[in-house]
Amino acid sequence: EPEVTQTPSHQVTQMGQEVILRCVPISNHLYFYWYRQILGQKVEFLVSFYNNEISEKSEIFDDQFSVERPDGSNFTLKIRSTKLEDSAMYFCASGASRNYGYTFGSGTRLTVV
Amino acid sequence: GENVEQHPSTLSVQEGDSAVIKCTYSDSASNYFPWYKQELGKRPQLIIDIRSNVGEKKDQRIAVTLNKTAKHFSLHITETQPEDSAVYFCAAHLEGRGGGNKLTFGTGTQLKVEL
Repeated sequence: EPEVTQTPSHQVTQMGQEVILRCVPISNHLYFYWYRQILGQKVEFLVSFYNNEISEKSEIFDDQFSVERPDGSNFTLKIRSTKLEDSAMYFCASGASRNYGYTFGSGTRLTVV
Repeated sequence: GENVEQHPSTLSVQEGDSAVIKCTYSDSASNYFPWYKQELGKRPQLIIDIRSNVGEKKDQRIAVTLNKTAKHFSLHITETQPEDSAVYFCAAHLEGRGGGNKLTFGTGTQLKVEL
């Protein structure tokens, strides 16, 4: 069964540093997403991406965050100047259409110290 | 924006019993309602979903019902087994004004199936 792949599985970074979380969506999918989950809490939407542009973003997704699909296979989330409260599990997801269930990646646990 | 509420937050059942988890949503434009199972430290995995033009869907021991008028939907697990123990999230899908779309998740239900 096709999978969404995320790297790294765990990233520890110093407060104020920039991190890039990487995702390889399922190859024939067209819709891409980032979600995050703070430990013990619900999954929260960050951003959706289609046709090489952001199609929807949440209030969480401020100027600190950016996404990119640099080469047609990878989908990255960049977090600039990380803060302690950015510590969470970040999930990438992809979907073949807007209305079908997404497939989530296994997540990157980001720890900001 | 969409708001999804989920109850209960924890649910303990005896093996073989049924479990029911309920969710409500606020935006009548939401049109797709998936349920995810998440084991500790792992990704959410889609277990069943329902579209707004359907009232009920069943897949073996799992069923989902949707009441559009009342804006609530429920997950039913019958003949529960220990391996059903996990956190279950409901979600509502909404298409945004900009053509984007997103899932709004409920707060999760920790299901524990006891022997």
